[in-house]
Amino acid sequence: NAGVMQNPRHLVRRRGQEARLRCSPMKGHSHVYWYRQLPEEGLKFMVYLQKENIIDESGMPKERFSAEFPKEGPSILRIQQVVRGDSAAYFCASSSRVSSSSPLHFGNGTRLTVT
Amino acid sequence: TQLLEQSPQFLSIQEGENLTVYCNSSSVFSSLQWYRQEPGEGPVLLVTVVTGGEVKKLKRLTFQFGDARKDSSLHITAAQTGDTGLYLCAGAQKLVFGQGTRLTINP
Repeated sequence: NAGVMQNPRHLVRRRGQEARLRCSPMKGHSHVYWYRQLPEEGLKFMVYLQKENIIDESGMPKERFSAEFPKEGPSILRIQQVVRGDSAAYFCASSSRVSSSSPLHFGNGTRLTVT
Repeated sequence: TQLLEQSPQFLSIQEGENLTVYCNSSSVFSSLQWYRQEPGEGPVLLVTVVTGGEVKKLKRLTFQFGDARKDSSLHITAAQTGDTGLYLCAGAQKLVFGQGTRLTINP
């Protein structure tokens, strides 16, 4: 499967623990986006990364959240000291970013539940 | 901040009917994309519209980009139960998403 791979599909964490969400982009894609989706809502932009660089993190909370896209390996969205309000589906998308209209290819998301 | 408003938020119709959903903004977009998302899955791209006034057809789906590139519509002819899903519009450059239209087609 050459699509965007996210893991785990489901993640349960207790309040105060750390959550690590992984995203492997499509082959040949060097641009990764993370979005958050609450039930019955659309996608909220969090962060846009290119290999080893954060291009736009304007949608990401300043505290507890961080993202990286290293030269080797998947992109990681890290949430420290999770709280109940962090429960959501987190989607990763990748693109070739040839232009601003380049399509995004989404993974099937990680559903985080904080208990 | 670029905002996209989608309407209606929820729509439930009978199989065979026609429908139109809308995506509106006060901002101008260089392009706009429509995605469909099914439960438990990520959104899948349906179409990208780039030119003001552009109309694109995808089988029974017709997409239109407004002349001023601030709005778009999706028209579905003779809806089928397989069209059920969450329809999202997204505007470049940062790919800001609307809140979606949740469409249910009843048999």
